[in-house]
Amino acid sequence: QKEVEQDPGPLSVPEGAIVSLNCTYSNSAFQYFMWYRQYSRKGPELLMYTYSSGNKEDGRFTAQVDKSSKYISLFIRDSQPSDSATYLCAMSEGSGKSTFGDGTTLTVKP
Amino acid sequence: NAGVMQNPRHLVRRRGQEARLRCSPMKGHSHVYWYRQLPEEGLKFMVYLQKENIIDESGMPKERFSAEFPKEGPSILRIQQVVRGDSAAYFCASSPRDRGGTDTQYFGPGTRLTVL
Repeated sequence: QKEVEQDPGPLSVPEGAIVSLNCTYSNSAFQYFMWYRQYSRKGPELLMYTYSSGNKEDGRFTAQVDKSSKYISLFIRDSQPSDSATYLCAMSEGSGKSTFGDGTTLTVKP
Repeated sequence: NAGVMQNPRHLVRRRGQEARLRCSPMKGHSHVYWYRQLPEEGLKFMVYLQKENIIDESGMPKERFSAEFPKEGPSILRIQQVVRGDSAAYFCASSPRDRGGTDTQYFGPGTRLTVL
């Protein structure tokens, strides 16, 4: 069983929709939770970074962490075609190594 | 402020040859991480280095793979005697590892290795 499981998708939504991306994990030592966006044939770009449980908002993006359920989410409001990409969740114990989900590919249709 | 730089961006090798991948971290960053990404998969951790030290190589295959981050110059990931299964995108990330012990890693554009 993988340490990090990510909803595989793919997801296809109309422009303006609210998108929900989710990951679960099994390692209770994870303390840092990240979401990356990766465009095709590019490097991952850090979107959101959260320490421990709680919510964090940045513009149209909201990250939620529920450590009791070992569940994290990324919400995208008012989705745009430019949001079309693969989204990767990642987690770390704070030792340097990050463990990634396999990614969810999102397409936002105009 | 330049981001993480990797070269070459594309590398083609025949089976049995050596591949050398280079990574220059962001200015002021002294921690480097290497990850491998196979098609349709997430990134898999390989190795974490500081200047002149390997901190964690738990994700590195025991044979043929090595990494270094010398006092001067870029970090190098070396793959000896490449096989077709080594074909993947190799990403380097760097972080400042500030006092908070954060793991905010910034990724380079990757090197896509193709083994013929």
